[in-house]
Amino acid sequence: EVQLLESGGGLIQPGGSLRLSCAASGFSFSTYAMNWVRQAPGKGLEWVSAISATGGSTKYADFVKGRFTISRDNSENILYLQMNSLRAEDTALYHCAQDTRSIKAWGQGTLVTVSS
Amino acid sequence: DVQMTQSPSSLSASVGDRVTITCRASQGINNYLAWYQQKPGKVPELLIYDASSLHSGVPSRFSGSGYGTDFTLTINSLQPEDFGIYYCQKYDNAPYTFGPGTRLEIK
Repeated sequence: EVQLLESGGGLIQPGGSLRLSCAASGFSFSTYAMNWVRQAPGKGLEWVSAISATGGSTKYADFVKGRFTISRDNSENILYLQMNSLRAEDTALYHCAQDTRSIKAWGQGTLVTVSS
Repeated sequence: DVQMTQSPSSLSASVGDRVTITCRASQGINNYLAWYQQKPGKVPELLIYDASSLHSGVPSRFSGSGYGTDFTLTINSLQPEDFGIYYCQKYDNAPYTFGPGTRLEIK
């Protein structure tokens, strides 16, 4: 069974930084591209970033480009999202999601709240 | 970037009805489109991928069609458990944008 377990969220002041982690199990992590998708309270789904299976290619939504960095450790089966220069509008539940050719598995998410 | 729109934004239908939700891309995306259902407090679940392929375990009353810019999700014989918000998502190229969602209520 695919399991994705996010951690690292919390309350952070505007301009601050956080690093999210996603521990993956139950599948061959190193053979799948991975995503981060977020959902602000009461709002729709927003794709944030994706990384190729090897980590050699990364993609970002315009609204996080230059501020967020996606990475992965295939030896530890962990996906990361480094979030810098956080803004109030980044407040959301951040989900780790498997595969970029339609998302077949989602983590439950870790909540990031950006507020002073 | 390609923009995704959905219509209607919300609808209410009765058990047994046939429901159609439309998703439109601002540029052609071939058949690289998925549909998801999200219930309150839950993560989204994949229903359809490649525009018309039914994901494993999804009831056959769900179907998808379309190519290029116009896509539809059809639910035949609506069931009480089909309430929720339905999202489309493109995955031809990044950004892998989601549509704004369609809220389905069961009368």
